[in-house]
Amino acid sequence: AQSVTQLGSHVSVSEGALVLLRCNYSSSVPPYLFWYVQYPNQGLQLLLKYTTGATLVKGINGFEAEFKKSETSFHLTKPSAHMSDAAEYFCAVSRGGGTASKLTFGTGTRLQVTL
Amino acid sequence: EAGVAQSPRYKIIEKRQSVAFWCNPISGHATLYWYQQILGQGPKLLIQFQNNGVVDDSQLPKDRFSAERLKGVDSTLKIQPAKLEDSAVYLCASSLDPVGNNEQFFGPGTRLTVL
Repeated sequence: AQSVTQLGSHVSVSEGALVLLRCNYSSSVPPYLFWYVQYPNQGLQLLLKYTTGATLVKGINGFEAEFKKSETSFHLTKPSAHMSDAAEYFCAVSRGGGTASKLTFGTGTRLQVTL
Repeated sequence: EAGVAQSPRYKIIEKRQSVAFWCNPISGHATLYWYQQILGQGPKLLIQFQNNGVVDDSQLPKDRFSAERLKGVDSTLKIQPAKLEDSAVYLCASSLDPVGNNEQFFGPGTRLTVL
């Protein structure tokens, strides 16, 4: 079975400050890892994903995440927060493609950006 | 490219009533997913279709929920009869290549309130 733990249901940062959203996973097979963002009353949008290869993954809007197998982590970072980054962020894991492609999500982290 | 379409966007019903949601995936996408997102939680997969066939419905409450994907395109999700705990956002997603685990594109969701 797979699971995802997101530490901190709410994170508040100042505009221009570093954003760090934590994600730890559990998987019996090499995982595929994802970060999604959800704005109010909208669906989820993919920020970035890790499947194989380079462990530092760059995504849209200046976000990046690093897959650390030894720590079973996939934390999301952005060097400088912008007001438009305020949203709900979800980390997710899957076992691969095809019949294994279903996503198991964490409970989400709401990011607040203050002036 | 048009995104995943869902309707209705909002629905309010009383318990024991029936309700149906509709999803039109991105053209050419073979795989379609229905997720349930309860307030404060991450989305949970209800059912996954690959073309016309069901790949995974292990978490679908089959005594009250049903889903179909006719002709491998549009899909409907039905709840009959609804319970209070079915209040949630129902998200539809689609992906192009199930083997390659391509990105899942999400629709805006249908927010269901059961009174």
